[in-house]
Amino acid sequence: KAGVTQTPRYLIKTRGQQVTLSCSPISGHRSVSWYQQTPGQGLQFLFEYFSETQRNKGNFPGRFSGRQFSNSRSEMNVSTLELGDSALYLCASSLQTGGTYEQYFGPGTRLTVT
Amino acid sequence: GENVEQHPSTLSVQEGDSAVIKCTYSDSASNYFPWYKQELGKGPQLIIDIRSNVGEKKDQRIAVTLNKTAKHFSLHITETQPEDSAVYFCAAGNSGGGADGLTFGKGTHLIIQP
Repeated sequence: KAGVTQTPRYLIKTRGQQVTLSCSPISGHRSVSWYQQTPGQGLQFLFEYFSETQRNKGNFPGRFSGRQFSNSRSEMNVSTLELGDSALYLCASSLQTGGTYEQYFGPGTRLTVT
Repeated sequence: GENVEQHPSTLSVQEGDSAVIKCTYSDSASNYFPWYKQELGKGPQLIIDIRSNVGEKKDQRIAVTLNKTAKHFSLHITETQPEDSAVYFCAAGNSGGGADGLTFGKGTHLIIQP
Protein backbone atom coordinates (compact mmCIF):
# COMPACT_ATOMS: atom_id res chain seq x y z
CA LYS A 1 0.00 0.00 0.00
CA ALA A 2 1.39 3.39 -0.96
CA GLY A 3 2.26 5.77 1.86
CA VAL A 4 1.31 9.38 2.37
CA THR A 5 2.49 11.57 -0.47
CA GLN A 6 3.05 15.32 -0.37
CA THR A 7 3.70 17.72 -3.21
CA PRO A 8 5.74 19.66 -3.86
CA ARG A 9 8.69 18.47 -1.77
CA TYR A 10 10.46 21.82 -1.85
CA LEU A 11 9.17 25.33 -2.37
CA ILE A 12 10.71 28.79 -2.29
CA LYS A 13 8.39 31.78 -1.98
CA THR A 14 8.71 35.48 -1.33
CA ARG A 15 7.22 37.35 1.61
CA GLY A 16 3.63 38.38 0.93
CA GLN A 17 2.93 35.59 -1.54
CA GLN A 18 0.59 32.68 -0.90
CA VAL A 19 1.25 28.98 -1.22
CA THR A 20 -0.79 25.79 -1.55
CA LEU A 21 0.53 22.42 -0.42
CA SER A 22 -1.03 19.09 -1.29
CA CYS A 23 -1.34 15.82 0.60
CA SER A 24 -2.65 12.45 -0.56
CA PRO A 25 -3.40 10.09 2.36
CA ILE A 26 -2.96 6.35 2.50
CA SER A 27 -5.74 4.65 0.56
CA GLY A 28 -8.76 4.17 2.81
CA HIS A 29 -7.69 6.76 5.36
CA ARG A 30 -10.27 9.49 5.88
CA SER A 31 -8.48 11.71 8.37
CA VAL A 32 -5.71 14.10 7.39
CA SER A 33 -3.83 16.24 9.89
CA TRP A 34 -1.29 18.95 9.15
CA TYR A 35 1.71 19.87 11.27
CA GLN A 36 4.39 22.53 11.08
CA GLN A 37 7.93 21.52 12.07
CA THR A 38 10.60 24.11 12.90
CA PRO A 39 13.88 23.78 14.84
CA GLY A 40 12.67 26.20 17.48
CA GLN A 41 9.05 25.13 18.04
CA GLY A 42 9.25 21.48 17.04
CA LEU A 43 6.15 19.77 15.66
CA GLN A 44 3.00 21.83 16.05
CA PHE A 45 -0.54 20.82 15.13
CA LEU A 46 -2.21 22.99 12.49
CA PHE A 47 -5.57 21.32 11.79
CA GLU A 48 -7.31 18.04 11.11
CA TYR A 49 -9.83 17.16 8.42
CA PHE A 50 -12.17 14.21 8.45
CA SER A 51 -14.72 13.51 5.71
CA GLU A 52 -14.19 16.98 4.20
CA THR A 53 -14.84 18.75 7.52
CA GLN A 54 -12.32 20.52 9.71
CA ARG A 55 -12.58 18.81 13.09
CA ASN A 56 -9.91 20.65 15.03
CA LYS A 57 -7.57 23.58 14.63
CA GLY A 58 -4.35 24.40 16.40
CA ASN A 59 -3.18 27.79 17.56
CA PHE A 60 -2.19 29.31 14.23
CA PRO A 61 -3.39 32.56 12.62
CA GLY A 62 -6.16 32.64 10.04
CA ARG A 63 -3.58 32.91 7.26
CA PHE A 64 -3.29 29.15 7.56
CA SER A 65 -6.25 27.31 6.08
CA GLY A 66 -7.01 23.97 4.56
CA ARG A 67 -9.58 21.82 2.92
CA GLN A 68 -10.27 18.21 2.15
CA PHE A 69 -11.79 16.75 -0.96
CA SER A 70 -14.23 13.85 -1.35
CA ASN A 71 -11.33 11.51 -2.20
CA SER A 72 -9.70 12.47 1.16
CA ARG A 73 -6.88 14.39 -0.51
CA SER A 74 -6.14 17.58 1.37
CA GLU A 75 -4.64 20.94 0.62
CA MET A 76 -3.17 23.52 2.95
CA ASN A 77 -2.94 27.18 2.05
CA VAL A 78 -0.86 29.91 3.63
CA SER A 79 -1.60 33.46 2.57
CA THR A 80 0.55 36.57 2.99
CA LEU A 81 3.67 34.58 3.73
CA GLU A 82 6.03 35.74 6.46
CA LEU A 83 9.68 34.81 6.99
CA GLY A 84 8.64 32.87 10.09
CA ASP A 85 6.50 30.55 7.98
CA SER A 86 9.66 28.86 6.70
CA ALA A 87 9.30 25.30 7.94
CA LEU A 88 8.75 21.68 7.07
CA TYR A 89 5.02 21.10 6.63
CA LEU A 90 3.95 17.56 7.34
CA CYS A 91 0.68 15.86 6.77
CA ALA A 92 -0.39 12.68 8.46
CA SER A 93 -3.23 10.34 7.61
CA SER A 94 -5.21 8.13 9.92
CA LEU A 95 -7.84 5.43 9.56
CA GLN A 96 -9.81 6.76 12.54
CA THR A 97 -12.22 3.93 13.15
CA GLY A 98 -12.95 2.00 16.34
CA GLY A 99 -10.44 3.94 18.39
CA THR A 100 -7.68 3.44 15.85
CA TYR A 101 -5.64 6.58 15.83
CA GLU A 102 -2.27 5.70 14.35
CA GLN A 103 -1.07 8.64 12.29
CA TYR A 104 1.28 8.05 9.39
CA PHE A 105 3.34 10.96 8.13
CA GLY A 106 4.36 11.93 4.65
CA PRO A 107 7.87 13.16 3.79
CA GLY A 108 6.85 16.79 4.15
CA THR A 109 7.09 19.93 2.04
CA ARG A 110 10.06 22.15 2.84
CA LEU A 111 8.88 25.76 2.48
CA THR A 112 11.43 28.55 2.42
CA VAL A 113 10.19 32.15 2.53
CA THR A 114 12.65 34.83 1.44
CA GLY B 1 -4.10 22.19 26.39
CA GLU B 2 -1.68 19.32 26.53
CA ASN B 3 2.02 19.89 27.26
CA VAL B 4 4.63 17.21 26.61
CA GLU B 5 8.15 17.41 28.00
CA GLN B 6 10.86 15.12 26.59
CA HIS B 7 14.32 14.31 27.97
CA PRO B 8 17.13 14.19 27.16
CA SER B 9 17.47 16.38 24.09
CA THR B 10 20.60 14.48 23.03
CA LEU B 11 21.59 10.94 23.98
CA SER B 12 24.82 9.25 22.96
CA VAL B 13 25.23 5.53 23.64
CA GLN B 14 27.68 2.84 22.60
CA GLU B 15 26.50 0.38 20.00
CA GLY B 16 24.96 -2.59 21.76
CA ASP B 17 23.99 -0.63 24.86
CA SER B 18 20.44 0.37 25.80
CA ALA B 19 18.87 3.80 25.34
CA VAL B 20 16.01 5.27 27.36
CA ILE B 21 14.03 8.39 26.47
CA LYS B 22 11.50 9.83 28.90
CA CYS B 23 8.41 12.00 28.43
CA THR B 24 5.85 13.55 30.74
CA TYR B 25 2.43 14.88 29.83
CA SER B 26 0.01 17.18 31.57
CA ASP B 27 -3.52 16.38 30.37
CA SER B 28 -5.07 13.43 32.18
CA ALA B 29 -7.54 13.06 29.27
CA SER B 30 -4.73 11.93 26.96
CA ASN B 31 -4.96 8.22 26.32
CA TYR B 32 -2.78 7.59 23.29
CA PHE B 33 1.03 7.83 23.33
CA PRO B 34 2.95 7.16 20.11
CA TRP B 35 6.65 7.33 19.47
CA TYR B 36 8.10 8.46 16.17
CA LYS B 37 11.54 8.15 14.62
CA GLN B 38 12.65 10.81 12.16
CA GLU B 39 15.67 10.40 9.94
CA LEU B 40 17.26 13.27 8.06
CA GLY B 41 15.14 14.43 5.15
CA LYS B 42 12.19 12.19 6.01
CA GLY B 43 8.89 12.50 7.78
CA PRO B 44 8.38 10.99 11.25
CA GLN B 45 7.86 7.22 11.22
CA LEU B 46 5.58 5.59 13.79
CA ILE B 47 7.64 2.96 15.61
CA ILE B 48 5.46 2.01 18.57
CA ASP B 49 2.48 3.31 20.49
CA ILE B 50 0.68 2.59 23.73
CA ARG B 51 -2.79 3.29 25.03
CA SER B 52 -3.63 4.18 28.61
CA ASN B 53 -5.23 0.83 29.36
CA VAL B 54 -1.83 -0.84 28.91
CA GLY B 55 1.27 -0.43 31.09
CA GLU B 56 3.92 -1.82 28.76
CA LYS B 57 4.27 -2.85 25.14
CA LYS B 58 7.19 -4.51 23.36
CA ASP B 59 8.15 -4.93 19.73
CA GLN B 60 11.47 -6.73 19.27
CA ARG B 61 14.18 -4.36 20.58
CA ILE B 62 11.77 -1.54 21.35
CA ALA B 63 9.53 -1.21 24.38
CA VAL B 64 7.36 1.54 25.78
CA THR B 65 6.16 1.89 29.37
CA LEU B 66 3.38 4.09 30.67
CA ASN B 67 2.73 5.29 34.20
CA LYS B 68 -0.68 6.93 33.99
CA THR B 69 -0.68 8.00 37.64
CA ALA B 70 2.59 9.88 37.30
CA LYS B 71 1.77 10.96 33.75
CA HIS B 72 4.99 9.77 32.22
CA PHE B 73 5.99 7.30 29.54
CA SER B 74 9.31 6.04 28.28
CA LEU B 75 10.88 4.48 25.21
CA HIS B 76 13.46 1.74 25.71
CA ILE B 77 15.71 0.55 22.90
CA THR B 78 17.91 -2.46 23.66
CA GLU B 79 20.98 -3.72 21.77
CA THR B 80 21.27 -0.43 19.89
CA GLN B 81 22.53 -0.50 16.31
CA PRO B 82 23.93 2.25 14.05
CA GLU B 83 20.61 2.44 12.16
CA ASP B 84 18.90 3.49 15.40
CA SER B 85 20.62 6.88 15.10
CA ALA B 86 17.85 9.42 14.48
CA VAL B 87 15.63 11.97 16.23
CA TYR B 88 12.90 10.39 18.34
CA PHE B 89 9.68 12.16 19.27
CA CYS B 90 7.12 11.23 21.86
CA ALA B 91 3.56 12.48 21.58
CA ALA B 92 0.31 12.46 23.51
CA GLY B 93 -3.24 12.67 22.28
CA ASN B 94 -6.79 11.47 22.64
CA SER B 95 -7.89 8.57 20.47
CA GLY B 96 -11.54 9.51 20.64
CA GLY B 97 -13.33 11.27 17.86
CA GLY B 98 -12.60 14.93 17.41
CA ALA B 99 -9.14 14.73 18.91
CA ASP B 100 -7.10 17.92 19.11
CA GLY B 101 -4.25 16.40 17.21
CA LEU B 102 -1.10 15.04 18.75
CA THR B 103 1.09 17.16 21.03
CA PHE B 104 4.75 16.35 20.48
CA GLY B 105 7.80 16.56 22.67
CA LYS B 106 10.78 18.54 21.39
CA GLY B 107 12.64 15.43 20.31
CA THR B 108 15.72 13.44 21.36
CA HIS B 109 18.70 13.17 19.04
CA LEU B 110 19.95 9.60 19.58
CA ILE B 111 23.55 9.00 18.54
CA ILE B 112 24.87 5.45 18.41
CA GLN B 113 28.66 5.41 18.81
CA PRO B 114 30.38 2.51 16.97
